[in-house]
Parts: sequence; C-alpha cells; structure tokens
Amino acid sequence: DAKTTQPNSMESNEEEPVHLPCNHSTISGTDYIHWYRQLPSQGPEYVIHGLTSNVNNRMASLAIAEDRKSSTLILHRATLRDAAVYYCSQGGSNYKLTFGKGTLLTVNP
Amino acid sequence: DSGVTQTPKHLITATGQRVTLRCSPRSGDLSVYWYQQSLDQGLQFLIQYYNGEERAKGNILERFSAQQFPDLHSELNLSSLELGDSALYFCASSVGGGLAKNIQYFGAGTRLSVL
Repeated sequence: DAKTTQPNSMESNEEEPVHLPCNHSTISGTDYIHWYRQLPSQGPEYVIHGLTSNVNNRMASLAIAEDRKSSTLILHRATLRDAAVYYCSQGGSNYKLTFGKGTLLTVNP
Repeated sequence: DSGVTQTPKHLITATGQRVTLRCSPRSGDLSVYWYQQSLDQGLQFLIQYYNGEERAKGNILERFSAQQFPDLHSELNLSSLELGDSALYFCASSVGGGLAKNIQYFGAGTRLSVL
C-alpha cells in the first residue's frame, strides 16, 4: 500500500511561516499529492494538491521535490485557526487515497 | 459546511449489534468514500462507491458492508459489533471517480461507541 511519512507534531508562532514536510516513499508517476487538515472536532478539509510543479492557493503553498518523493506544505503566516492535524496523502490510478498519521500543528500566540 | 451530511452524529450500541450509518453527498458529486478514524490507527480508508458501483476497497472488515443508492446517498452497515469498532466514521464525496486529482469533501462524522 502507498505510504506517507510525517512528523508527529510541530510547533510554530503566530504570524510566522510554517513548513510541514511529508515523505512519499511509494509514489508513482500518476499519483497526485494531496494535503488535508482536520481542525478539532471536525471532519478533514481539503487544503491543496498538486502533481509535479509547485502550487499556490489562498490557504497555502505546496512545494514538490523534483523526484516527488517529498512534499512540503507551506503556511505563509500561521494563525491560531491553523492549529490542526495536517495529513499528506497520495492518490492515483489505484483509487486508494492513503493518509498517514498526520502532523499535529500547534500555533503559539 | 462541506455540503456532506452524515447521520446520526452519535451512536451508542452494544457488542454484537448491527448499525447503519448514512451519508448524503454534496449535490452533483457521484463518488462517496467511507473512512474510519480511531485514536491508534489514524484515518483509514474503507471503501469508495462511484455512481452506484464499488470502485475501491481499503481495510474494510468482512463484518462491514456499504452501498450507494440510485439517489447517490450511501449507507455503511456495521454488524457483529466489537468494542474495537468504536471510532469516528467519516463520509466524503467528490465529483469524479478517480482519486488522482479529485478533491474530497468530508462530512462531520458519526461517532460510534460500542459498549
């Protein structure tokens, strides 16, 4: 099965950038990289996704390594509302979207 | 609000019983996914339906089954319940059937407690 690896937890200060890493050891050429986050007591919500090149949206940026074995979710200015568990995943032709254990992001005021 | 509706929000039952969890996808979405989230296992993919047909299967137990109806709502049936089945069950939906680039929208979940 596809597997992603993330740090268990990270900490940041409010209004500072945060870089959340993910390793995609078994990613194939057609797999998209997805990031979701889960705020306390809520269902996961979509953050961003990409295939090969870096992506930006209003929530975050996604940097994808040239070999696609790793990706980094970038929150440019963390806020207290960004405190959540962040999941990276990869999905492709086998239809299975595999989530890791996620990274618990703590944002300090 | 993601537009995905799950009922009930909470369910308390006893071991050996059978329960049904219901999911209504966002308007226009053809795919429905089911996930189980427990403290020790994280978010585990169970099964996906696309336009009424099973599309992908994950770590779903034989005691669990699901279906998607012609109106596209889906039900997850859990039978012969065990204490270890206590978890949050999430439903998600997406427009397309392929996971490559489809964004999934998650419901608020059903918390199942098996006593």
